Amino acid sequence: SFVVTQPPSVSVAPGKTARITCGGNNIGSTTVHWYQQKPGQAPVLVIYYDSDRPSGIPERFSGSNSGNTATLTISRVEAGDEADYFCQVFHNTNHPGVFGGGTKLAVL
Amino acid sequence: QVQLVESGGGLVKPGGSLRLSCAASGFTFSDYYMSWIRQAPGKGLEWVSYMSDSGVTIYYADSVKGRFTISRDNAENSLYLQMNSLTAGDTAVYYCARQGSGSGYDLESWGQGTLVTVSS
Repeated sequence: SFVVTQPPSVSVAPGKTARITCGGNNIGSTTVHWYQQKPGQAPVLVIYYDSDRPSGIPERFSGSNSGNTATLTISRVEAGDEADYFCQVFHNTNHPGVFGGGTKLAVL
Repeated sequence: QVQLVESGGGLVKPGGSLRLSCAASGFTFSDYYMSWIRQAPGKGLEWVSYMSDSGVTIYYADSVKGRFTISRDNAENSLYLQMNSLTAGDTAVYYCARQGSGSGYDLESWGQGTLVTVSS
């Protein structure tokens, strides 16, 4: 099955840009979604279809997907962005949701 | 607005059974694929099962195939997960989620989850 790799943690200062990666063999040929999960809460979809933003998600959140890496970019990071972020790769209907292991974003 | 409320979790002994329910509201339930996703304590997400809007198409993760059964009642706006032969490895928070209406299997709305603990 498709293997997806995320860095365990990313640290960023407030106001700076955070980039969280999701790696996989030719992941650019798949569809990637991103979820934010704060402690004790359910995940929230923040980016879908590689780079689209659901309504209510700030424009500071953006996504890209090419080659072997998909990237979630959070601009002008705020303390409230501190959370775990999971990528989900849609490969085919037999493996609808391969999740990355998650990346903990720490706002310094 | 979309609301998904899971229930039925709890403590169960290894080998036991449990039935989870998800009550949906705020949208036309029969129009959407629905899923169960689980998260073991301190771990990542695992897609357990999904069912198409009509109930015809079903997916199970290999880890639960033959033990878990997903079902839905569109008249009652409810999704279910029957879990049999439970093991410690099934201990997790189980989330009910609504899939997006496109073909990319995004999970656009989630419930708050129900905790299943398998322990003697």
